[in-house]
Amino acid sequence: DTAVSQTPKYLVTQMGNDKSIKCEQNLGHDTMYWYKQDSKKFLKIMFSYNNKELIINETVPNRFSPKSPDKAHLNLHINSLELGDSAVYFCASSQMTGFGYTFGSGTRLTVV
Amino acid sequence: GIQVEQSPPDLILQEGANSTLRCNFSDSVNNLQWFHQNPWGQLINLFYIPSGTKQNGRLSATTVATERYSLLYISSSQTTDSGVYFCAVRVTQKLVFGQGTRLTINP
Repeated sequence: DTAVSQTPKYLVTQMGNDKSIKCEQNLGHDTMYWYKQDSKKFLKIMFSYNNKELIINETVPNRFSPKSPDKAHLNLHINSLELGDSAVYFCASSQMTGFGYTFGSGTRLTVV
Repeated sequence: GIQVEQSPPDLILQEGANSTLRCNFSDSVNNLQWFHQNPWGQLINLFYIPSGTKQNGRLSATTVATERYSLLYISSSQTTDSGVYFCAVRVTQKLVFGQGTRLTINP
């Protein structure tokens, strides 16, 4: 039973398109995150939600819009995709204290 | 903001060797974690270790918070240990990652 699951695993799309990545966790955690891993493997926070409330928005272009319908789900919608958006996007969850950090398996987004 | 630096950036070893990976951080922290990203891209939480020493099988980690560093030890390396090892410190509600150490274990 997957703890943090995100779909799709791979996403290839053209510039200018809009796409969404979905994430669900069944760990009972109250905090969820989106991280971006660039081509050099550097991992950086994008957003964090605690109990459906946005608590971190880390200078991400407003083409990226997270949505948390409940504390077990955090989706990421990206408008007008650009070449530079190509990366691996990881969803994660934890307790608010930061304990028990668990990552999803990642979504490799390629914009052509 | 806090800086997290890992060394070495790359490490190539033969199977059976031992290794030590280092993580330095620039400010006081009360939450440090080690992760392994395997060759398939999965990020696995190895240790939550704000201070002290923990062991899990062939892996152990030590954090000396007062001196702002943490060490990850891997003994009797296996090819399945290959991948990138990240340390990360928690700042407010986010993890700040180091740039990683890429470990390659050759058979």
